[in-house]
Amino acid sequence: GAVVSQHPSWVICKSGTSVKIECRSLDFQATTMFWYRQFPKQSLMLMATSNEGSKATYEQGVEKDKFLINHASLTLSTLTVTSAHPEDSSFYICSGTGEGHKETQYFGPGTRLLVL
Amino acid sequence: DAKTTQPPSMDCAEGRAANLPCNHSTISGNEYVYWYRQIHSQGPQYIIHGLKNNETNEMASLIITEDRKSSTLILPHATLRDTAVYYCIVRALLFSGTALIFGKGTTLSVSS
Repeated sequence: GAVVSQHPSWVICKSGTSVKIECRSLDFQATTMFWYRQFPKQSLMLMATSNEGSKATYEQGVEKDKFLINHASLTLSTLTVTSAHPEDSSFYICSGTGEGHKETQYFGPGTRLLVL
Repeated sequence: DAKTTQPPSMDCAEGRAANLPCNHSTISGNEYVYWYRQIHSQGPQYIIHGLKNNETNEMASLIITEDRKSSTLILPHATLRDTAVYYCIVRALLFSGTALIFGKGTTLSVSS
């Protein structure tokens, strides 16, 4: 299967700061990338969908000004949590799909964010 | 996308086959059945998907009933490393840029 990486794998930050998470498709071109969030003992919740070169589409209830998504290339998408607060502490997971892999989504290993 | 129903938890002895059921009675003709799993603190891992024929790969087998209203994921020889949450998801195959939507899944516990 295709490989998706995320960086960093975990991050601790102070309340009010911004944090950027990178998601890379290593061996395929991801025309579409998705960002999910997962709280403890809960399932994955879709936050947004981004197509390369276009603005992201956010799910209802997800603040687009707080969670900035950039998908500038076919192999890289970034999620920036702006002015993070403790309630933003979560497990953030990206996934991609694209040429040669349209039938499935491949997921990154996730980034654990802790906001103090 | 069609809704799925899975048991919240299952146990399996190491070395035995793990059979995970999924009901999707409202599945449409163009919708596929996907299975993913998530090991603790990791991203979901693709396992297998199918339309109506049974499918097998190096990880598992997928058995879909003739009326396509239910399916079973079979891990033929479960190991401790197969302990995870297993998600059954139904979605149209045609690439429309839509994301997989996860339900609560089945927590499979494999013990020695």
